[in-house]
Amino acid sequence: NAGVTQTPKFQVLKTGQSMTLQCAQDMNHEYMSWYRQDPGMGLRLIHYSVGAGITDQGEVPNGYNVSRSTTEDFPLRLLSAAPSQTSVYFCASSYGPGGRGYTFGSGTRLTVV
Amino acid sequence: QKEVEQDPGPLSVPEGAIVSLNCTYSNSAFQYFMWYRQYSRKGPELLMYTYSSGNKEDGRFTAQVDKSSKYISLFIRDSQPSDSATYLCAMMDTNAGKSTFGDGTTLTVKP
Repeated sequence: NAGVTQTPKFQVLKTGQSMTLQCAQDMNHEYMSWYRQDPGMGLRLIHYSVGAGITDQGEVPNGYNVSRSTTEDFPLRLLSAAPSQTSVYFCASSYGPGGRGYTFGSGTRLTVV
Repeated sequence: QKEVEQDPGPLSVPEGAIVSLNCTYSNSAFQYFMWYRQYSRKGPELLMYTYSSGNKEDGRFTAQVDKSSKYISLFIRDSQPSDSATYLCAMMDTNAGKSTFGDGTTLTVKP
């Protein structure tokens, strides 16, 4: 089925561990982005990419790295997990920067202990 | 102050009621205005988008944009229990190439 696929759906990390959240889309969208969603704080942009090889920082980039080697994939790396990174992470994609709306994945629930 | 402010809710209405969900914004460069619906433990899904001012209707849903007042609304007619969800407004400045989201309003429609 066409859409945005995120893995894993759930993850528990210990403080200081690193991990990669995977995101893949099969709609040939140029634009991909990562958001985190915390209670009462809505969706906050972490990093985004306007095409393969091009990435940029969003509102809350510290502690996260991204790369975009292909159109389909946009992984998010947590370098050294901290409890403040406990959140729900959403990947989204669109043809353009999102004026006509994003397609979101189902999310990754991350807990850092 | 946030660029996008959304009525916080929560909102609880009886089935069949007309629901009004609202957002205000401060950035006059926003050109696209979107509404997303998010069910519990799911990703947001796009309901509607509007370019510039005016109204747009899709079934029971109407999106309204008033750029002069920097105010947008989503109206839901004949609300159903299946409409119970969190509704997020979002806005985009084409030059910035990024969308800014409101914090969401949680709606419960009681049978």
